[in-house]
Amino acid sequence: DIVLTQSPALAVSLGQRATISCRASQSVSISKYNLMHWYQQKPGQQPKFLIYRASNLASGIPARFSGSGSGTDFTLTINPVQADDIATYYCQQSGESLTFGPGTKLELK
Amino acid sequence: EVQLVESGGGLVQPGRSMKLSCAASGFTFSNYGMAWVRQAPTKGLEWVATISYDGSSTYYRDSVKGRFTISRDNAKSTLYLQMNTLRSEDTATYYCTRSPTTPGEYFDYWGQGVMVTVSS
Repeated sequence: DIVLTQSPALAVSLGQRATISCRASQSVSISKYNLMHWYQQKPGQQPKFLIYRASNLASGIPARFSGSGSGTDFTLTINPVQADDIATYYCQQSGESLTFGPGTKLELK
Repeated sequence: EVQLVESGGGLVQPGRSMKLSCAASGFTFSNYGMAWVRQAPTKGLEWVATISYDGSSTYYRDSVKGRFTISRDNAKSTLYLQMNTLRSEDTATYYCTRSPTTPGEYFDYWGQGVMVTVSS
């Protein structure tokens, strides 16, 4: 299985930019598609779909969220960070089977 | 509004069986693949199984192959997960999810989850 690596936590100030990284153990880019997706989960809630195929915003997601990357390195950016964005963020790949990263907990500095 | 409502969880002894259900509404259920994703207490997310829109194709993670069966009833807009020979490591919150592409790249809607505890 492809293993995804994320930093356990990231501290950020409100109004600043947050950059959350996800690295895959092998490329998840196939043809023209970058098969990396992102979710947000708040405590006690189900995950929420944010971004698909690395850079496409899901329906209803604010434009302060964006995604980028290809191959093995991907990034979720939140700019500017709002209080409601404090949560854990998971990347998920679909290049080979389906696996999730361990999550990055976004905290206030 | 898309809604996915899971039911059927609870406490079960190791080696026994349990069946989860997920009632879907707010979209044409028969047009979408569906999947189960689980999350052990204080742990991350783990894909369990996916079923195609018409039920003709199913996919499982290795650790549940031969023990779990995903199925659907499009007439009832309901997704199922039959879990047999349960193990302690199957203890988790199980989420019903919609998987809009074929064979299921990602999960765009999630239910609130149902807890399954495998313990004697």
